[in-house]
Amino acid sequence: DIQMTQSPSSLSASAGDRVTITCQASLDISDSLNWYQQKVGKAPNLLIYGASNLETGVPSRFSGGGSGTNFSFVISSLQPEDIATYYCQQYDILPWTFGQGTKVEIK
Amino acid sequence: HLQLQESGPSLVKPSEILSLTCTVSGDSLTSTGSYWGWIRQPPGKGLQWIGSGYYRGSTYYNPSLKTRVTMSIDTSKNQISLKLNSVTAADTAVYYCARDVEFLGRFDFWGQGILVTVSS
Repeated sequence: DIQMTQSPSSLSASAGDRVTITCQASLDISDSLNWYQQKVGKAPNLLIYGASNLETGVPSRFSGGGSGTNFSFVISSLQPEDIATYYCQQYDILPWTFGQGTKVEIK
Repeated sequence: HLQLQESGPSLVKPSEILSLTCTVSGDSLTSTGSYWGWIRQPPGKGLQWIGSGYYRGSTYYNPSLKTRVTMSIDTSKNQISLKLNSVTAADTAVYYCARDVEFLGRFDFWGQGILVTVSS
């Protein structure tokens, strides 16, 4: 299985801060990467697909980039409603696998 | 507007079969390119893909669960089902059904999830 490693595991930032989460794949996965947001007690919500494509209806403060084995996810200006755990997920090779998650909190 | 709703028992005994149903509304299970998947999340832990299937019969399972899992799609009821046999406490999790767009692992619509506890 392809291992997806996210960094950091958790972070605390102030409202308005730029937040960056990285995701590293154990093999080259091209741009076959999605990002999800999961709020407490809720199902995950797709934010980014194909490494950099914003899902319909998702605010533009969210963005993604990268290819191969190294990927990044950015919240350009952290808002209180962005408090959640974020997961990367590869879909290049079965089985689809997820990173361990990054918990984002507000200072 | 596509909606998915999981249902089934919240408590299953060890060694028995976990059986869940996902009812889809707002779209047809036969929509072109729509695969339907199951993902689970043990309490306080990360996400694990269980499998995805297409209404024409093709199914793909996570190899770590393949010997114990069966998915099926009933287009007449617009339902997807999941069966996991020989369960243990390690199978305790929130189980989600979701649409897997064009089998690209792009899960764009999810059910709310159902917590299934394996315990005697």
